Amino acid sequence: GESVGLHLPTLSVQEGDNSIINCAYSNSASDYFIWYKQESGKGPQFIIDIRSNMDKRQGQRVTVLLNKTVKHLSLQIAATQPGDSAVYFCAELGGSYIPTFGRGTSLIVHP
Amino acid sequence: DAMVIQNPRYQVTQFGKPVTLSCSQTLNHNVMYWYQQKSSQAPKLLFHYYDKDFNNEADTPDNFQSRRPNTSFCFLDIRSPGLGDAAMYLCATSIRTGIAQPQHFGDGTRLSIL
Repeated sequence: GESVGLHLPTLSVQEGDNSIINCAYSNSASDYFIWYKQESGKGPQFIIDIRSNMDKRQGQRVTVLLNKTVKHLSLQIAATQPGDSAVYFCAELGGSYIPTFGRGTSLIVHP
Repeated sequence: DAMVIQNPRYQVTQFGKPVTLSCSQTLNHNVMYWYQQKSSQAPKLLFHYYDKDFNNEADTPDNFQSRRPNTSFCFLDIRSPGLGDAAMYLCATSIRTGIAQPQHFGDGTRLSIL
C-alpha cells in the first residue's frame, strides 16, 4: 500500500550545526504535508506545514522543502540546539482529513 | 490557551480490568481522534469522531471503544486490557473544513498493565 517513510531512523548532530530530516512519500495524490516534533513523554507538536502548490516554506529556524517530482519532503533546522532533540514525524494527507504518519526520525543534538 | 488535555497522564490497571482514558479540548474542533503509540513507533489511529459520527479503523480490536458525549470530550474505553495494550494513548483534534488542517495533540496517557 501507499505509505510515508523516513530514510534515517536516527540523526546525530553537534549543537550549532544545521540538521536535515528527510521523508519520502509514495501517494502522488498527497497535497498537504506536516512535520511534527515529539519530545519524550509528550504528544506530537506541530512545527510547520506545506501545501502542494508550494515547494518551500520557512518558519523560525525551520524550513520545509517539497519536491513533488521525486515525492520527497525535508525538514531543515538551522543552528540546532539541545532543545531540538526529539523524534520528528512527517505526515501527509491526500483527499482525506486523516493523516498518514511516517516512521519518525530521532534527532540527537550533542552539546 | 486553547488546548487538548488528557487525563490521567499515567494510568496503571490490572490485566482484564476495564479502564477509561479521557480527553477534552477547548479548540471547538469537530474531529477528535484516538491513537495508540508504542515505543519508537509512529502513532497508530484507532478511531475518530467527525462530530457525532464514529469511524473505526478496520484493524482496531473490539476491545477498544470510544464515546463522545459532546464536542469537548472524548473517552477511550478498553474493556479487557491485555499486556499488549500497554502503550501511550494520544488524543488529537482537528477542524474539518474545505482544506486539510493539522492535528493538535494532547500529551497522552501512558497506560501500564499489571
